[in-house]
Amino acid sequence: KAGVTQTPRYLIKTRGQQVTLSCSPISGHRSVSWYQQTPGQGLQFLFEYFSETQRNKGNFPGRFSGRQFSNSRSEMNVSTLELGDSALYLCASSFGGTSADTQYFGPGTRLTVL
Amino acid sequence: DQQVKQNSPSLSVQEGRISILNCDYTNSMFDYFLWYKKYPAEGPTFLISISSIKDKNEDGRFTVFLNKSAKHLSLHIVPSQPGDSAVYFCAANYLLDDKIIFGKGTRLHILP
Repeated sequence: KAGVTQTPRYLIKTRGQQVTLSCSPISGHRSVSWYQQTPGQGLQFLFEYFSETQRNKGNFPGRFSGRQFSNSRSEMNVSTLELGDSALYLCASSFGGTSADTQYFGPGTRLTVL
Repeated sequence: DQQVKQNSPSLSVQEGRISILNCDYTNSMFDYFLWYKKYPAEGPTFLISISSIKDKNEDGRFTVFLNKSAKHLSLHIVPSQPGDSAVYFCAANYLLDDKIIFGKGTRLHILP
């Protein structure tokens, strides 16, 4: 069974630009969550999508948005990039009953904002 | 306000000895706790979990202990092996909110 895949693996952008990251969950998983990992803050929850609907949201500004498609694939968009957005962005998928379901993480997208 | 705290950024343990990773939480509503392990350039992988109705869960070399009154959990790895060198994240959730809160992680170094 294929794992969670994320594309691209690495991105370099400049301040003010926008970026779209993609996540393909494990087949059969309907929940996709996004996390930001930085050295100082650890793993911080961005949002969770289930059946194309945002079910949960963390404490990030509106520049961070996402969506989920009917095949459960998800995209995350960050607009008007800031230097502080440089981080590893991880997505995780699960069957989606509750957040107690085991989450399976992708390898992440490393975003560098110059 | 950090609800899940891992106060040790790093820990070094001799191979074959016991590794003990600690985690404290502030929200008494948390009812499920998890540990994830992360190698460089990979996403975290689920290791072990424990429900708040239990005080211990064991899986092979890994045991998680939960002390609800102290709002503290710990992960014990016995015996420690070189492949255990990684960053370990403690996480918690409560069904009311249904989102997982992670700690900042502890980097474990297993020394030969």
